Amino acid sequence: KAGVTQTPRYLIKTRGQQVTLSCSPISGHRSVSWYQQTPGQGLQFLFEYFSETQRNKGNFPGRFSGRQFSNSRSEMNVSTLELGDSALYLCASSHGTGPLVIEETQYFGPGTRLLVL
Amino acid sequence: GENVEQHPSTLSVQEGDSAVIKCTYSDSASNYFPWYKQELGKGPQLIIDIRSNVGEKKDQRIAVTLNKTAKHFSLHITETQPEDSAVYFCAASISNFGNEKLTFGTGTRLTIIP
Repeated sequence: KAGVTQTPRYLIKTRGQQVTLSCSPISGHRSVSWYQQTPGQGLQFLFEYFSETQRNKGNFPGRFSGRQFSNSRSEMNVSTLELGDSALYLCASSHGTGPLVIEETQYFGPGTRLLVL
Repeated sequence: GENVEQHPSTLSVQEGDSAVIKCTYSDSASNYFPWYKQELGKGPQLIIDIRSNVGEKKDQRIAVTLNKTAKHFSLHITETQPEDSAVYFCAASISNFGNEKLTFGTGTRLTIIP
């Protein structure tokens, strides 16, 4: 089975621009979660999508948004980029259908490294 | 609050020796505690996890212990090998009014010295 794929792998943007990142989950997985990883803040949960609906949410401002398509592929968008948005953005997928979703094994992609200048 | 503290931030161990990484969490309702290994240029990979109804779990050279009373859990790697060199993250589940997420520790960079 192919793993989680993320595109693009690297991205350079300038302040004020917006960016869209893409994630394709493992085949059969219906839950997609997004994380931001920075040296200062570590790994922080952004949001989780299941069946095209945002099911869980972290503590990020509204500039960070996402969506999920009927094939479970997901995109996340960051508008009005700030320097502090420079980070590795990780996507993780899981089946999403168990009684305790948070306890399902999450499979991470390699991430998209975003640099904001 | 939602906080997971992880120590040490860096750890160097002679090949063949054991390595121990410790985490404490603040939410007494946390029930799930996974450990992830992240190699350079890759995403985190689950290596072992433990649930609150279990005190210890072992998988070959890797073990995790959980003390719910003290709210801390630890990762133990025995007979370390060069390929164990990586950054390790602990995490704890947080469920707040139906909103679920994992809160991660700040990571431990483990270096195995040949």
